[in-house]
Amino acid sequence: GDSVTQMEGPVTLSEEAFLTINCTYTATGYPSLFWYVQYPGEGLQLLLKATKADDKGSNKGFEATYRKETTSFHLEKGSVQVSDSAVYFCALITDNYGQNFVFGPGTRLSVLP
Amino acid sequence: NAGVTQTPKFRILKIGQSMTLQCAQDMNHNYMYWYRQDPGMGLKLIYYSVGAGITDKGEVPNGYNVSRSTTEDFPLRLELAAPSQTSVYFCASLLDRGNPLNTEAFFGQGTRLTVV
Repeated sequence: GDSVTQMEGPVTLSEEAFLTINCTYTATGYPSLFWYVQYPGEGLQLLLKATKADDKGSNKGFEATYRKETTSFHLEKGSVQVSDSAVYFCALITDNYGQNFVFGPGTRLSVLP
Repeated sequence: NAGVTQTPKFRILKIGQSMTLQCAQDMNHNYMYWYRQDPGMGLKLIYYSVGAGITDKGEVPNGYNVSRSTTEDFPLRLELAAPSQTSVYFCASLLDRGNPLNTEAFFGQGTRLTVV
């Protein structure tokens, strides 16, 4: 079945540091890829998405590029802020009937002032 | 536009009690999902529905039941609560997986359930 693997956390960075959270996937169909963010005590919110190979999703300074050749969708941000502290989930969905949104385990990010 | 609404936000149950977690969406989405999130863990799919009258089991369905009598509502039923069901439950909806440009899951705020 489809699956998503993320780097284990927690990740602790100082403010203005560079962030990378690795995500790789396995899918039988042609997936769309997503990053969701969960702030403390809240539900998940869409951060960015990409629907085909070489697409770059971007939002709030975060970026991720859909790499079909390496089956990856790594999340990056050039300069993190304290307000970026949250749990980040990589996810995919394919067009196979009966398939659903598949989420990675999440990576907790803590940004220190 | 309210999006996905879950009630209640918090609940404490005694072992063996039953309850229904409510989920409603006003976006006319055809797909709806129930996930549980255990402390420090990712999301596990409990049940999902591809439309009114159709439901299917996910990864961890034991101890739960669902129904989908309308497009808007997707309640999750716990019949005999057990401590292992202590978790945060999220409901989500999604419009149309066939068109990736329209594909995005919208989540409710979650229900924190404790079984003691």
